[in-house]
Amino acid sequence: GAGVSQSPRYKVAKRGQDVALRCDPISGHVSLFWYQQALGQGPEFLTYFQNEAQLDKSGLPSDRFFAERPEGSVSTLKIQRTQQEDSAVYLCASSSQGAGELFFGEGSRLTVL
Amino acid sequence: DQQVKQNSPSLSVQEGRISILNCDYTNSMFDYFLWYKKYPAEGPTFLISISSIKDKNEDGRFTVFLNKSAKHLSLHIVPSQPGDSAVYFCAANNGGSQGNLIFGKGTKLSVKP
Repeated sequence: GAGVSQSPRYKVAKRGQDVALRCDPISGHVSLFWYQQALGQGPEFLTYFQNEAQLDKSGLPSDRFFAERPEGSVSTLKIQRTQQEDSAVYLCASSSQGAGELFFGEGSRLTVL
Repeated sequence: DQQVKQNSPSLSVQEGRISILNCDYTNSMFDYFLWYKKYPAEGPTFLISISSIKDKNEDGRFTVFLNKSAKHLSLHIVPSQPGDSAVYFCAANNGGSQGNLIFGKGTKLSVKP
């Protein structure tokens, strides 16, 4: 389809494992965002790219979290040495113009045991 | 401290009646507000937005009202339909930080047939 695509949809990791979550934004969208949504909470901003440039990473909770978008299209969110508190749905969104109207993917649900 | 607050975790309304979802914010620098709708296991989808230069924006059955002096906005759905049952998130942006939409915790709306 033409929407934002995220993979995997579900990921179970053992504490201490590294995980990588992928996002394919809508074609042509220059802005890409990652959000973290814990159970019963609203999405919380993690990081923002404009093309390949990471303009804001103020929401990344620790240096275990790393995001990249090397060619200005697909993005990967990597979490190293996962902890139980990392369990959440990770949402990717893209936009043609900043944070106006964001188009969200279905999310990747991470469960850390 | 939460900058965007949705104080009602849930709301139940009869089909055909009006649904009113409320949202309060604390940051007077916010200048753009959005409502997103989320069904289970799906990403949030954009519903309607309003700029701080307006006090009302209407789109079909959905109307958003903004009261800047009270730092309050509301979403009215009339008439409500069973398909409107979802979690509704209020979000705000301060324009200066393009990537950082601040979300409330959401209100779960149930429209009873």
